[in-house]
Parts: sequence; C-alpha cells; structure tokens
Amino acid sequence: DTGVSQNPRHKITKRGQNVTFRCDPISEHNRLYWYRQTLGQGPEFLTYFQNEAQLEKSRLLSDRFSAERPKGSFSTLEIQRTEQGDSAMYLCASSLPVVDTQYFGPGTRLTVL
Amino acid sequence: GNSVTQMEGPVTLSEEAFLTINCTYTATGYPSLFWYVQYPGEGLQLLLKATKADDKGSNKGFEATYRKETTSFHLEKGSVQVSDSAVYFCALLGGMEDKIIFGKGTRLHILP
Repeated sequence: DTGVSQNPRHKITKRGQNVTFRCDPISEHNRLYWYRQTLGQGPEFLTYFQNEAQLEKSRLLSDRFSAERPKGSFSTLEIQRTEQGDSAMYLCASSLPVVDTQYFGPGTRLTVL
Repeated sequence: GNSVTQMEGPVTLSEEAFLTINCTYTATGYPSLFWYVQYPGEGLQLLLKATKADDKGSNKGFEATYRKETTSFHLEKGSVQVSDSAVYFCALLGGMEDKIIFGKGTRLHILP
C-alpha cells in the first residue's frame, strides 16, 4: 500500500494559464475525491468519482474546473484560465466502494500570480 | 445540511498538559465521525474515527467518544508532546452524504 499520491506537489502559474493536477489513489479503492483547502480553513469538497463515473460536483466547481478519471484509476483536475482566487491546496482522497474512511494524499499547492 | 463546529485556535499548551479540543456536529441520519491531523507542510492524516454512538476512537494517546445525545466528538489527550503540534480537523461522513464535511481546524502549539 503506497498511499495516495499527487503530482505536482507545488505549482506556480500566472493568471490566465491552464493547470492540470494528477492523483493516483490507493490501488483497491474505487472511490476518488477532490477537495480544496484555502489558508486557515478546512478542506471543502469539489467532486468525486466511483470508478470512472463522476457522481457529484460541488457548486464550488465552476465551469473553469474539470475533472476526469478515464479508466477508473488515476484522476486529473484541470483549471482553465486560472484566477488568483484559485490559489489553494488541492487534496485528493480515495476510499473503498462504500461510504467509508477516506485517505488523503499530500496535496498540490497552487499559487496563481 | 451537515456541518461541523470546532473550537477556534490557536491552542497553546505546555508539554505534558491535558488537551481537549471541542467538536460538535449537525447531521441527518447516523454519520461517522473523524479527527484528521495535518502536520506542517504535509497532507491530512487520519488520527481516529468512530462509526456509531458511544464508540470511542483512539490512536497515539488521543481519544474521542461519539456522543449522540450532545452531538459531540471532543478530542482529548492526557499528556501532550511537542511533536503533537499540528492542525486538527474534526469531520463527519455520511448522514445522507458521501463527502466529508470538515470543521475549520484548530491549530495546536505545544511548548517544551
């Protein structure tokens, strides 16, 4: 069990650029979640997948955000036309196929200049 | 909807002091309750959990009991160490939702 991994760990970009983050879940976990954490706050839910199906999206996920999990394994989160307000830590978590404990990756810290 | 309220920090204690971080929740149904810890520069780690009323979760000397009558899940430790300095998040899962709802976090500083 290698845990949840996320890449890159840090990303600095200029406003208006597109960025993409990757998450690799624990191998036997078929649920994968994305959360966003801003400074001094708890993580907030963005979206989640069961296998390749995206089952729920938060109102926080604007049209500029898109997430995919094409083969039911790793997932990508893309932000188009980044804004300074997108600066945050983006966390990925995975769990077994029932409502159960979620295990988190180390996160990707995005800074938009 | 579901929500979690935890005491604001920062909390500063001396080493070997007794720790309590209060957490209360609002949820429909019967959620599972968690404490996650975030050390500086790291991701969230599960500290302990409880899945039903009166369950006690424990790990690394930390304990929390699921109290349905008071809708609480307070975190306690009898003797804290400098290495316990971190941000602690109370969270719930379930209660008709598949996503975790987190509190805002409590930053803990332990002085040697």
